[in-house]
Amino acid sequence: QITLKESGPTLVKPTQTLTLTCTFSGFSLSTSGVGVGWIRQPPGKALEWLALIYWDDDKRYSPSLRSRLTITKDTAKNQVVLKMTNMDPVDTGRYYCAHETGWYGHWGQGTLVTVSS
Amino acid sequence: DILLTQSPSSLSVSVGDSVTITCQASHDIFHYVTWYQQKSGEAPRLLIYDASSLETGVPSRFSGRGSGTDFIFTIASLQPEDVATYYCQQYDNFPTTFGPGTTVDLK
Repeated sequence: QITLKESGPTLVKPTQTLTLTCTFSGFSLSTSGVGVGWIRQPPGKALEWLALIYWDDDKRYSPSLRSRLTITKDTAKNQVVLKMTNMDPVDTGRYYCAHETGWYGHWGQGTLVTVSS
Repeated sequence: DILLTQSPSSLSVSVGDSVTITCQASHDIFHYVTWYQQKSGEAPRLLIYDASSLETGVPSRFSGRGSGTDFIFTIASLQPEDVATYYCQQYDNFPTTFGPGTTVDLK
């Protein structure tokens, strides 16, 4: 059974760096074809894809946010970390990590991040 | 980026009605489309991948079809538990993109 769970701060101040951790089980990020992605959702709005890391450490980023994002993995710990710099109130929303095999078949419950001073 | 548009943006239907949602892509994305259901306060749930393949465990009243730029998602007979927002997603090209969503509620 594949499960994912996001963790990190619920409140960050503007200009700070957000660090989110996705801890997963039921699959390995050393398995060919597997990836873990991050998707966010502002309150009442649509889903927005942020970043993806593959089993071979290939990384993809949203072009509009590329300069602010860094995604890394720790295969031994079954974790993927997303860092987003220079946070702004418009970055407020729920952040999800999800298992990727072309599509996102398994999602975490998400973690709500509020950006406010 | 490939832009996805969905229509309608919302609809109100009765239990037992058929629901049809369209997703149009700005470029040819072959069959690389998924459909997700998101209930209030929950994470999205994969329903359909590769435009028409039903995810394991998803009721057969859900279906999808299409290729190229035009895709259709159908709920054959709406059940109360189907009240949700439905999103299409393309994964033909990076960045993957999602449609704006279609909210389905009960009359």
